[in-house]
Amino acid sequence: QKEVEQDPGPLSVPEGAIVSLNCTYSNSAFQYFMWYRQYSRKGPELLMYTYSSGNKEDGRFTAQVDKSSKYISLFIRDSQPSDSATYLCAMRSNDYKLSFGAGTTVTVRA
Amino acid sequence: GAGVSQSPRYKVAKRGQDVALRCDPISGHVSLFWYQQALGQGPEFLTYFQNEAQLDKSGLPSDRFFAERPEGSVSTLKIQRTQQEDSAVYLCASSPPGTGRPYEQYFGPGTRLTVT
Repeated sequence: QKEVEQDPGPLSVPEGAIVSLNCTYSNSAFQYFMWYRQYSRKGPELLMYTYSSGNKEDGRFTAQVDKSSKYISLFIRDSQPSDSATYLCAMRSNDYKLSFGAGTTVTVRA
Repeated sequence: GAGVSQSPRYKVAKRGQDVALRCDPISGHVSLFWYQQALGQGPEFLTYFQNEAQLDKSGLPSDRFFAERPEGSVSTLKIQRTQQEDSAVYLCASSPPGTGRPYEQYFGPGTRLTVT
């Protein structure tokens, strides 16, 4: 079993819908949680960075971390066709090594 | 400013050939990471440099893989005697110094390696 599990989708939603993405993990040492967006043939781009449990909001993006359940989520409000990409969750403990989920492919239909 | 750059963007190698992949990190970034991303998967850690010192190479899949960063800036990932299972995208990431957001990693576009 992988340390980080993420449903690969694909997920298809109409423009303006809320996109809900999530990951579960098994390593209780993870303290830093990130979401990356990766467009086709591009490198991952950091979207959200959260330390420990709680919610963080940045524009249309909200990240949630529930360490007691080992569950993290990313919500995208008012989704746009330009949000169509693969979303990767990533996490680490106090060291530098990131553990990634497999990524969820999202398509926002105009 | 300029982001992380990688070259070549695409590389096709015949099985058994040696390849060298280059990474130019963001200027001033002391930490540099290499990842391997197989099709449909998330990136997997390969190795980590702090300046010119390779502090962790635990993710390198075999002794055919070798990475260096001799002057603490540009890094090269070398794969000897390539095999088909080496086909993947190789991503480089760098992190700035400081304690504000430790190890916040900025990724390059990757090199897509295809071994035929």
